[in-house]
Amino acid sequence: RKEVEQDPGPFNVPEGATVAFNCTYSNSASQSFFWYRQDCRKEPKLLMSVYSSGNEDGRFTAQLNRASQYISLLIRDSKLSDSATYLCVVNRGANNLFFGTGTRLTVIP
Amino acid sequence: DAGVIQSPRHEVTEMGQEVTLRCKPISGHNSLFWYRQTMMRGLELLIYFNNNVPIDDSGMPEDRFSAKMPNASFSTLKIQPSEPRDSAVYFCASSLGVDSPLHFGNGTRLTVT
Repeated sequence: RKEVEQDPGPFNVPEGATVAFNCTYSNSASQSFFWYRQDCRKEPKLLMSVYSSGNEDGRFTAQLNRASQYISLLIRDSKLSDSATYLCVVNRGANNLFFGTGTRLTVIP
Repeated sequence: DAGVIQSPRHEVTEMGQEVTLRCKPISGHNSLFWYRQTMMRGLELLIYFNNNVPIDDSGMPEDRFSAKMPNASFSTLKIQPSEPRDSAVYFCASSLGVDSPLHFGNGTRLTVT
């Protein structure tokens, strides 16, 4: 089983829609979690960390479910500029990082 | 505020040639990572350094790959001899410390013909 699994998509949604991605991880001892965004032919960029209590940054909400070992990212009121690949990252501690293969999102006008 | 700086941006070389990729991490960051990204395999960690010391090189594909970090502001990844299957985007990333978020450079796109 892979350390981190994501649905590769693609998710094609209209502007203004709400879209959610999940990411599951296999090791229950994983300590910290992140969502990164990667545009085509660009580097991954940190979107947000994921905290146990859940956290929100504008239109983006990240949640962690330790019991079921998944993290989620919710995007409200999708914009064309949200089109990208979203990578989840799981840290097992001591810089032992695992990247998902990414979920591709396309927001359609 | 300068981010992680990588050079070159693009490298095209012939099989058998030596390739050297360079990285300057963000000043003050103690951890440095080299990743390789392909469509088939996604992001793969090759090696990471903490305080200039290699900590985990288990991702280095084989002896053809080597990485150095002679000081806190510079690292190299060398492939000798290069092969077509090494074609990929190579990213360098740095972080403030263990378990801090990574900041990526804009990558080196390597093509080996």
